[in-house]
Amino acid sequence: AQTVTQSQPEMSVQEAETVTLSCTYDTSENNYYLFWYKQPPSRQMILVIRQEAYKQQNATENRFSVNFQKAAKSFSLKISDSQLGDTAMYFCAFEGSGGYQKVTFGTGTKLQVIP
Amino acid sequence: GAVVSQHPSWVICKSGTSVKIECRSLDFQATTMFWYRQFPKQSLMLMATSNEGSKATYEQGVEKDKFLINHASLTLSTLTVTSAHPEDSSFYICSARDLLWNIQYFGAGTRLSVL
Repeated sequence: AQTVTQSQPEMSVQEAETVTLSCTYDTSENNYYLFWYKQPPSRQMILVIRQEAYKQQNATENRFSVNFQKAAKSFSLKISDSQLGDTAMYFCAFEGSGGYQKVTFGTGTKLQVIP
Repeated sequence: GAVVSQHPSWVICKSGTSVKIECRSLDFQATTMFWYRQFPKQSLMLMATSNEGSKATYEQGVEKDKFLINHASLTLSTLTVTSAHPEDSSFYICSARDLLWNIQYFGAGTRLSVL
């Protein structure tokens, strides 16, 4: 079974600064997908970024980028120029390939952006 | 991104009654939908996988007679909490898989309070 570990329960960052959230996972699969989801106080889960394991290039979405280290099974999220609206719970998630695969979520990191 | 509508957003019911929660994919067809439960300050726990036209697949420890799932069309899945009790009070979230991009899009969640 796959496991996803987020070792930082809470983090804070000053507005406009950069912060990195850590995520490690364990799997025996070679092809899979990794995600970062954001859950603000409204509790709506929002997809932040997605990475396909077969792609070596790290995914980026505007201020959000990942550092995907397949051999180390590490998938960290970097948020640049942090904004107050980035305050939320961030969940790292893993999904195996092959269709109808379940998504396994980490325990989450609560990020507070300080004005 | 795609939109998943979940209704109601908040429901209060008396112990012993049944509650139905709807999950609709508004702009894509979803052969697979997922139902999660989230306790305060915790991660999402997968309850069941809902497959259009077939029986749902329940995770270990989830009572299928308690949490009835119906996925009668490619855009609608329902979760019925039967004979609800106070311990069923929780936040329930659905998601629908967009097969084209292999991304799960989430509903806004339903807060269930059983008195």
